[in-house]
Amino acid sequence: EVQVVESGGGFIQPGGSLRLSCAASGFTISGYYMTWVRQAPGKGLEWVSVIYIGGGTSYADSVKGRFTISRDSSSNTLYLQLNSLRVDDTAVYYCARGFRGWYFDLWGRGTLVNVSS
Amino acid sequence: QSVLTQPPSVSAAPGQKVTISCSGSSSNIGNNYVSWYQQLPGTAPKLLIYDNNKRPPGIPDRFSGSKSDTSATLGITGLQTGDEADYYCGTWDSILSGGVFGGGTKLTVL
Repeated sequence: EVQVVESGGGFIQPGGSLRLSCAASGFTISGYYMTWVRQAPGKGLEWVSVIYIGGGTSYADSVKGRFTISRDSSSNTLYLQLNSLRVDDTAVYYCARGFRGWYFDLWGRGTLVNVSS
Repeated sequence: QSVLTQPPSVSAAPGQKVTISCSGSSSNIGNNYVSWYQQLPGTAPKLLIYDNNKRPPGIPDRFSGSKSDTSATLGITGLQTGDEADYYCGTWDSILSGGVFGGGTKLTVL
């Protein structure tokens, strides 16, 4: 089955760190623009980061310098390292499979990151 | 405030047609493809339209997309109660060097 499954979310204090994982099956993540998108409670979608087929990366200004996207081809898993977390990073984080035309055809169920003191 | 502007809400009766607009600029919609997503309550987004007007397999032709200059439009005909959801447009922004989404539009089928 073609799917992505996120994990690693949880409750964390401001300033803390988390690593999110996105396990893919049925396709090879290195052949796509693998992307993280987040959604704060009751809010809209916010693009977070992408790792391109060639391995290059891009980040939203709101997370640049604090979050790092990476992938492990051997386990076919996408990661997002979240450092220096802030209260406004609280959101459901979705992993999505993307294409060159900048669209996302496969989404996971998401994992909730709750940053609170 | 989102880079792409959508109306917060739209409504129409079952069987009717509705359109949802998405307004941007030359750095995003004007020079890049637009996609549209449907998010039912409590679920992940689902791709409805890509490359401005193409439908993925399984998406009924009741859903259509178009683009003109720096604006895009999602059309839904033959509205059903199951279409009640939040709808988002998305594209790439060349100045931000990142992806952008609209603020979302809540569709109510009266």
